[in-house]
Amino acid sequence: EDQVTQSPEALRLQEGESSSLNCSYTVSGLRGLFWYRQDPGKGPEFLFTLYSAGEEKEKERLKATLTKKESFLHITAPKPEDSATYLCAVRGGGTSYGKLTFGQGTILTVHP
Amino acid sequence: NAGVTQTPKFQVLKTGQSMTLQCAQDMNHEYMSWYRQDPGMGLRLIHYSVGAGITDQGEVPNGYNVSRSTTEDFPLRLLSAAPSQTSVYFCASRTGGGELFFGEGSRLTVL
Repeated sequence: EDQVTQSPEALRLQEGESSSLNCSYTVSGLRGLFWYRQDPGKGPEFLFTLYSAGEEKEKERLKATLTKKESFLHITAPKPEDSATYLCAVRGGGTSYGKLTFGQGTILTVHP
Repeated sequence: NAGVTQTPKFQVLKTGQSMTLQCAQDMNHEYMSWYRQDPGMGLRLIHYSVGAGITDQGEVPNGYNVSRSTTEDFPLRLLSAAPSQTSVYFCASRTGGGELFFGEGSRLTVL
């Protein structure tokens, strides 16, 4: 069974204080690792897909990286508008029709 | 471009009542799914569909029915609501690469 564990559960940063969120996973035949951002009262919004170890993707102040066992979402010089819950999910090759397994998320709060 | 549209946004039911959550997408995605999100439990898959006329169960299907008569629409039916079904429900459609696009959510309370 695919599993995803995110840490920390919550992270408080000062504006400009860079940090990283962790997503550890076990999956049979990784077919994609996904990062989403979720604002309160909204649906998750797609950020990145990573397919293989060593791959990196960037978007504004966010950079996602992938190893064989975990992914990191690096946040450089965050701003208050980056405050949200960040979700990680994996798609395994062993699941029918590519079901995504989600972690419980990291709640990020950036103080001005 | 509307993406994924869910209705209603909020609903209160009494135990035993039935209702349908509506979901429509305009991206011509074959794959659609329903998730529920509960504190401490993350997003859990209820049902999914890989195309019109084809549906299958996810992790937590009990108490829910789905059908897929068109590519655009994927309604979720609660047959006899129970307090354990109090949750936030998300409909999502998926690209060929696996990226899910979610609706805004439907917050359901069962008394």
